[in-house]
Amino acid sequence: EAGVAQSPRYKIIEKRQSVAFWCNPISGHATLYWYQQILGQGPKLLIQFQNNGVVDDSQLPKDRFSAERLKGVDSTLKIQPAKLEDSAVYLCASSFDSPGQYFGPGTRLTVT
Amino acid sequence: DQQVKQNSPSLSVQEGRISILNCDYTNSMFDYFLWYKKYPAEGPTFLISISSIKDKNEDGRFTVFLNKSAKHLSLHIVPSQPGDSAVYFCAASLGFGNEKLTFGTGTRLTIIP
Repeated sequence: EAGVAQSPRYKIIEKRQSVAFWCNPISGHATLYWYQQILGQGPKLLIQFQNNGVVDDSQLPKDRFSAERLKGVDSTLKIQPAKLEDSAVYLCASSFDSPGQYFGPGTRLTVT
Repeated sequence: DQQVKQNSPSLSVQEGRISILNCDYTNSMFDYFLWYKKYPAEGPTFLISISSIKDKNEDGRFTVFLNKSAKHLSLHIVPSQPGDSAVYFCAASLGFGNEKLTFGTGTRLTIIP
């Protein structure tokens, strides 16, 4: 079974630029999550999708972050414009009626 | 407000001995607890979980203990192996586990050969 795929793995941008991350969950997993992990901290949920509907986006900074999950499969997370404090690893996870969420390798974003 | 806390940033244990990682939480509504293991440049990997109706769950070398009255859980690894060296995250959920996870800050475990 293929795991959660994410791209790119690394991205360096300047502040005020925009960036997009892509996630392909495990086949058949209805629930998809985007987390932000700042160095030295645990992952923090940004948004949760159930199929292509948003379940929880209470911690998503909506003035600059957006996410979509078209057709209930792949998802993209966008930041526009980026700030220095957005430097972090962005993790995508998926789950289907199991006790755990399955994480992708993450995208390490550096904003200079 | 840090609802899930891992107060030990790092832990070193001799190979073959027991590793004990601790986690405390403040929200009494948490119903499900999970441990994840993370290697560098990889995403977290689900390790073991426990429901609030249990006080112990075992899976091979890994055992998780839950003390609801103390709002405390621990992960025991015995015997510890070099491949166990990683960062371990404790996480809590309000539901079955498909709900939002609140993570601790992690404990870096180093197994000394």
